[in-house]
Amino acid sequence: KAGVTQTPRYLIKTRGQQVTLSCSPISGHRSVSWYQQTPGQGLQFLFEYFSETQRNKGNFPGRFSGRQFSNSRSEMNVSTLELGDSALYLCASSWGLNTEAFFGQGTRLTVV
Amino acid sequence: SQELEQSPQSLIVQEGKNLTINCTSSKTLYGLYWYKQKYGEGLIFLMMLQKGGEEKSHEKITAKLDEKKQQSSLHITASQPSHAGIYLCGADPTGANSKLTFGKGITLSVRP
Repeated sequence: KAGVTQTPRYLIKTRGQQVTLSCSPISGHRSVSWYQQTPGQGLQFLFEYFSETQRNKGNFPGRFSGRQFSNSRSEMNVSTLELGDSALYLCASSWGLNTEAFFGQGTRLTVV
Repeated sequence: SQELEQSPQSLIVQEGKNLTINCTSSKTLYGLYWYKQKYGEGLIFLMMLQKGGEEKSHEKITAKLDEKKQQSSLHITASQPSHAGIYLCGADPTGANSKLTFGKGITLSVRP
C-alpha cells in the first residue's frame, strides 16, 4: 500500500510569488491535514479537509489556502510568499475520526 | 489551547541502554500520538494511544498513557543507533482527530 505522497519535495521561490503544493493520501483515506514545520515554531496545524470540506483551520493568514478533490487528493496554496514562509510543509492523511494519521515526506519550501 | 511539553529536550545514550521520554499535556488528552522524525524528513507513525492506562508496544518501543496525569511516556529498551532521531508527541484537543497539536520534540542520539 502506497504511503502519503507529497510533491514536489523541494521548491525555491522568490518573495511575492505564489506556490502550490500537492498531497496524495493513502488510498481510502478521506481526511488530509496540512502542517508547517519551522525550527522556531515547530509543527503548526494549517488546515484539515474531509470529503472536500474544510473541517478545521489553524491560525494562519488568508494567504494560506487549500482544497481537496473528489479523489481525496489535496493541494495547498500560498500566495504573495514571504521569507518567513520558508519551512517544511507536511501533510497527513487518516481514514476518519480517531484513527492513525500518517505523514508524507514533506515539501521543503525556500523563499528567497 | 492545548500545549504539550516534552522532556527532556534532548538525550544522548549509549547503545544498549534503556531510556524513557515524556509528554505532558496542559489539558485533557483525548488521543496521543507518537512520531519519529529524521531531520528534514517526514514523520514516521509509531503509536496512537486513546484510553487512560493504555499501553502499546512495537519492537523495542513501549508507550503508555496516564490519563489522570495527562501524560504519556515512551520507553525504548536496549537502544540502537537506528533509534536516533526526533521524537514528537501530538495530541488531539477535541477528540475529532481533525487537528493535532505537537510538542517541540525530543532529540535522541545513540552512541555506538
